[in-house]
This record gives sequence, C-alpha cells and structure tokens, in this order.
Amino acid sequence: DAGITQSPRHKVTETGTPVTLRCHQTENHRYMYWYRQDPGHGLRLIHYSYGVKDTDKGEVSDGYSVSRSKTEDFLLTLESATSSQTSVYFCAISLAGDNEQFFGPGTRLTVL
Amino acid sequence: AQSVAQPEDQVNVAEGNPLTVKCTYSVSGNPYLFWYVQYPNRGLQFLLKYITGDNLVKGSYGFEAEFNKSQTSFHLKKPSALVSDSALYFCAVRDGAGGFKTIFGAGTRLFVKA
Repeated sequence: DAGITQSPRHKVTETGTPVTLRCHQTENHRYMYWYRQDPGHGLRLIHYSYGVKDTDKGEVSDGYSVSRSKTEDFLLTLESATSSQTSVYFCAISLAGDNEQFFGPGTRLTVL
Repeated sequence: AQSVAQPEDQVNVAEGNPLTVKCTYSVSGNPYLFWYVQYPNRGLQFLLKYITGDNLVKGSYGFEAEFNKSQTSFHLKKPSALVSDSALYFCAVRDGAGGFKTIFGAGTRLFVKA
C-alpha cells in the first residue's frame, strides 16, 4: 500500500465544534485530495491541492477549509461541524493530475 | 462541467459468468477515465485507467474496460466473475481540457453468487 495515513481514524464530535483531519503521505506525491463518501453519492471531492500552499475547491467545499504547508501533510478542517458532515472522509494522493490516485484508510466522523 | 454516471446501483451475476459494470461520462475535453474498487471495510484501490491509446484497457485482477468515444462510455468487464469480486465499484473521470478535479460516480455494488 502507498504510504498514506489518516488521523484520527474515528471521531465523534458535537455540532458547532471545529474538527481537523490530517492526511500524511510518505510518497512525495504532488497532488492530494479530500473526499467524503456517503451512501448514494459515491465519492465527492471536497478540496484538492496541486502543490504546497496551492489548493482549490471541489464539488462540496462549503463548510470545509484545507491547508498544505508541507508536501507530506494535507489538513481538512470543519470550521463548525454540522450533522450533515457526518461521513467517511478519504484522503488520496497522485503523482500527477492524470495519474491514478492512491487512497488512505479513511476517517469515520460522526457529528452529534 | 464534467460528470460521470453509473446507471446501475447493483449488478448481480453468477460465479463463472461474464460481468459488466456500466459507466458513462461527460467532459468538454479529452477524458481521463478510471475504475476503482472498494472491498468491504477497506479503502479504495485503483483497477485501471484510460488516458490515450487502445480502446481496450486491461487492469488488475483480470478486469478490463472498453473506451467508446461515440457513446461516451467506459464499461468495466471481466470474462469470468469470482465470488471474491463482490465489492463496490467506482468509475471516475477527469477532464483533460484542464483542471485537476476527478469526479467519481455514485458507485455500483457487484454481487457474485456462488
């Protein structure tokens, strides 16, 4: 498996609290992505990064922000968690924009 | 804007029979097409991709996919299904005209019965 870790793997939080999910890679891949997986919706892109400090919005970016200060780390922040953000979050990396993506193990987030 | 559709929520097939999982797409430029698989309680794994070249692409675990430009389709196929192929399959597309977004379909659950 590609060297991708996500932390935490599970989190339960309350509505209105900020939450930060971390994705760490050891592959030195340029591109990093955050997706959420929900039944009936497949995977939806939240934000992605094409280099250090270079990020852009995906399909469902409202309520989320990201930061990438180092090649190996891509942080996803829920500024004020809502129940609609209960989901499984996957981080992915790719060497180039047209290459296949490698996925992390996922983080299951529950917002009560 | 790019989009991808997987018209079947679920596909059922008997072990040993051929299987097809359908995918259609819409992009403004040339498509970069991917198939991924998610086994129960596991992350997603890359199966195969089409960027350019031969329309028939071979991938992992005996899977293949056929790119059809006129029908804007990229169906996943396997000549003989295994019970262990039972999983959730995702088609994904990136618009080669620019940008780095990859859009995934909603997924198709494949059940292979012994």
